[in-house]
This record gives sequence, structure tokens and C-alpha cells, in this order.
Amino acid sequence: DTAVSQTPKYLVTQMGNDKSIKCEQNLGHDTMYWYKQDSKKFLKIMFSYNNKELIINETVPNRFSPKSPDKAHLNLHINSLELGDSAVYFCASSQSPTGYEQYFGPGTRLTVT
Amino acid sequence: EDQVTQSPEALRLQEGESSSLNCSYTVSGLRGLFWYRQDPGKGPEFLFTLYSAGEEKEKERLKATLTKKESFLHITAPKPEDSATYLCAVQAAYGQNFVFGPGTRLSVLP
Repeated sequence: DTAVSQTPKYLVTQMGNDKSIKCEQNLGHDTMYWYKQDSKKFLKIMFSYNNKELIINETVPNRFSPKSPDKAHLNLHINSLELGDSAVYFCASSQSPTGYEQYFGPGTRLTVT
Repeated sequence: EDQVTQSPEALRLQEGESSSLNCSYTVSGLRGLFWYRQDPGKGPEFLFTLYSAGEEKEKERLKATLTKKESFLHITAPKPEDSATYLCAVQAAYGQNFVFGPGTRLSVLP
């Protein structure tokens, strides 16, 4: 049974489109995250939710909007996609926001053409 | 600003040739240091958490150690299946953010 799952795995779209990525965790964790991994493989945190409350909101364009309908789900909506948004986006979860390891999903490879 | 660097950037070992990977960090008070393994096309997989200087953790051929400025991931008698990118991350005592290093890409040749 997959612990952290993401859909879709691949997403190819054109500039200017709007797209969403969905994430679900079945670990019973309170905290979920979105990370971006660029072409140089650098993993950078974007957002974090704890019990559906936004607790980390890094310097990310406001075209990116996370939404957590419940503790087990965290979605990422991206408006007006740009070429520079091409990357792999990872969802992760942890037991709590501080001091605990994170469990990552398989990633969504977004390609903007 | 919290920073994490890792060295070397890439490392090629022969099977059975032990070595160490380095993670150096700058943070105002460490809450935890985390090691992950990432295989191509997959998400990072958790390996270890270290909380205080002097702490050590072991798992199979891997051993992680922590000082006040750096952490080492020692790989003893590696096998080809240990080939992966190893990532180090820190969380500061004052916040909830995680800062990842750029990773070390390890290749173990048979």
C-alpha cells in the first residue's frame, strides 16, 4: 500500500495553462509538504500544511496555490504556467512539523512547452 | 541563513571499497539532521535522523555521525545496489523549514 501518492506522474502542458497536482498520504501524518526539484536536482521546500493550516510559505510566485481539504490530502494548483516551472514536484508528509523525518511521494514531472 | 553543502559532488567506488560522504551545515541551532537516499526517477527515501553532536546511527552498510558543524555518512563495503544520490537536510531549532543540500551522487561499480 503506497504511503504517499501523487497524480499525475507526468504532466506536459503549454505555457499559460493552469494545472493541478494531487497528493494523498495514508500514514496518518499531521504535516504535508510540497517541494520543487529543479534540473540541478536541488530540492527546495515550497509549502507546508499542518492539520490543514498553512505553516510554511516560501518565496514562491503567487501563481502557485496549495490547498489542503483534509489532513491526508494536499493539492497544488499552478496558474499561467511558465517555462521556468518545469521541474519535478514532490509531495511529502511527516508526523509533525518539527524534528521528524519526511516521507516523499514518487514525484510529478512537469514539462512546460 | 541556513545552509547545507555536501561533498564530494560525485563519487565512484569499486564494490567493497569503503568511503565517506560529507554534509556541512550552518544553522542557528540544530533541531535535526536528516539523511535520505534518492534513486533516479523516485522520491527521496528516509535513512537517518541525528539530533545532537556525538550521535551515531547505523543501518546495514551505512553509518551516520554528527558533529556541531558536519555529518558523515560512512559506507562500508558498498555494493552496486548502494548506487544513488544521498541527500542531507537540516531543520533549525527556531523554525519548521527544511534545507536540503545538493546531494552526493554515488556510483558503486561491480
